[in-house]
Amino acid sequence: DQQVKQNSPSLSVQEGRISILNCDYTNSMFDYFLWYKKYPAEGPTFLISISSIKDKNEDGRFTVFLNKSAKHLSLHIVPSQPGDSAVYFCAAGFGNYKLTFGKGTLLTVNP
Amino acid sequence: DVKVTQSSRYLVKRTGEKVFLECVQDMDHENMFWYRQDPGLGLRLIYFSYDVKMKEKGDIPEGYSVSREKKERFSLILESASTNQTSMYLCASSLTGGESPLHFGNGTRLTVT
Repeated sequence: DQQVKQNSPSLSVQEGRISILNCDYTNSMFDYFLWYKKYPAEGPTFLISISSIKDKNEDGRFTVFLNKSAKHLSLHIVPSQPGDSAVYFCAAGFGNYKLTFGKGTLLTVNP
Repeated sequence: DVKVTQSSRYLVKRTGEKVFLECVQDMDHENMFWYRQDPGLGLRLIYFSYDVKMKEKGDIPEGYSVSREKKERFSLILESASTNQTSMYLCASSLTGGESPLHFGNGTRLTVT
């Protein structure tokens, strides 16, 4: 039972345009959500998070939107840069320790 | 910056061997985690620890055990390695629970032949 779903395995965008990565979840107990970025041969690095009491959180070029009624969140990257090319993981959690990760979306930003 | 160090980048072991994967963090974090990453499956939690000598099973603990004798060190043990344990293993730590982000090491690519 996949509780966190990233339905697009890959996404390709042009440099300077917006990248939108999507994530759906099924467990209504989740009360916080995080996005991680992973380059090849490196561990994932934390990008941005959002609590279920908010519907938007912004950090520079990165914005995460949460739609609790639809159990959907998205990560917007504006403007996209070639260095943003990586695998992006959505993760969700409740309580203290356990995060559930999606399968990841490979973003390619073309110069 | 938090540094999470995994002792090996690549390991090749034979079926049936006992395998130790070591992880050290330098930021006095309470929580430590072991994940494995497989193509098409994302990151799956094997075990985590929220204090010294404390451990909790994650989603896929079968075939693994862990040890946390010191706060900074968290070891993953494969008692008898099998080919289906060939994977990328990622260690992580976090300061507190909840939204506190995980800080990952660079991973150990384990191949069991």
